[in-house]
Amino acid sequence: KAGVTQTPRYLIKTRGQQVTLSCSPISGHRSVSWYQQTPGQGLQFLFEYFSETQRNKGNFPGRFSGRQFSNSRSEMNVSTLELGDSALYLCASSSSDTSSGNTIYFGEGSWLTVV
Amino acid sequence: GDSVTQMEGPVTLSEEAFLTINCTYTATGYPSLFWYVQYPGEGLQLLLKATKADDKGSNKGFEATYRKETTSFHLEKGSVQVSDSAVYFCALRHSGYALNFGKGTSLLVTP
Repeated sequence: KAGVTQTPRYLIKTRGQQVTLSCSPISGHRSVSWYQQTPGQGLQFLFEYFSETQRNKGNFPGRFSGRQFSNSRSEMNVSTLELGDSALYLCASSSSDTSSGNTIYFGEGSWLTVV
Repeated sequence: GDSVTQMEGPVTLSEEAFLTINCTYTATGYPSLFWYVQYPGEGLQLLLKATKADDKGSNKGFEATYRKETTSFHLEKGSVQVSDSAVYFCALRHSGYALNFGKGTSLLVTP
């Protein structure tokens, strides 16, 4: 079956603009989470959505937001972009099982460059 | 809070050499432990996992054992290939929470 699909794969934005990234989870998965990957900070958790509700949230400013639709697809938005927001944004999906061993599957990511 | 510490890279090995990437963790309770791999330009792929103490995860010749007494989950492979060149991430997760990753260890295997 198809994996986690993220669009766009690459984008360049100007400081101060906003950006929206999209994610389609694996069919049947209702949990979608987002991670930011940078060389300096590594992989950091942004937020998780389950059944259109935010279930967990990482330690990021309010400029970072997300939502999930009834078909489990998710979007994340970053407003007032800063140079430091340049990163690989990874979307991940998993089934509704919340046990610690439940596998989380990642997409290939969206590369955001802020200039 | 919880944390994962991995050995610093890059690690450079010749093909067919033995690989060990160290991973130790600090956590309350009993998290599950994971190794993910990231090939150049790609997202993360789950390599293996272990959900309780003394469990051994294995996949594609890689192995790691959940050692609660030493709070470790070291990744090993008996004979690496050039195609194993990638960045390897150790991670832990508690039920209902997000993955908590280490900084990653870059591996380069030369012919």
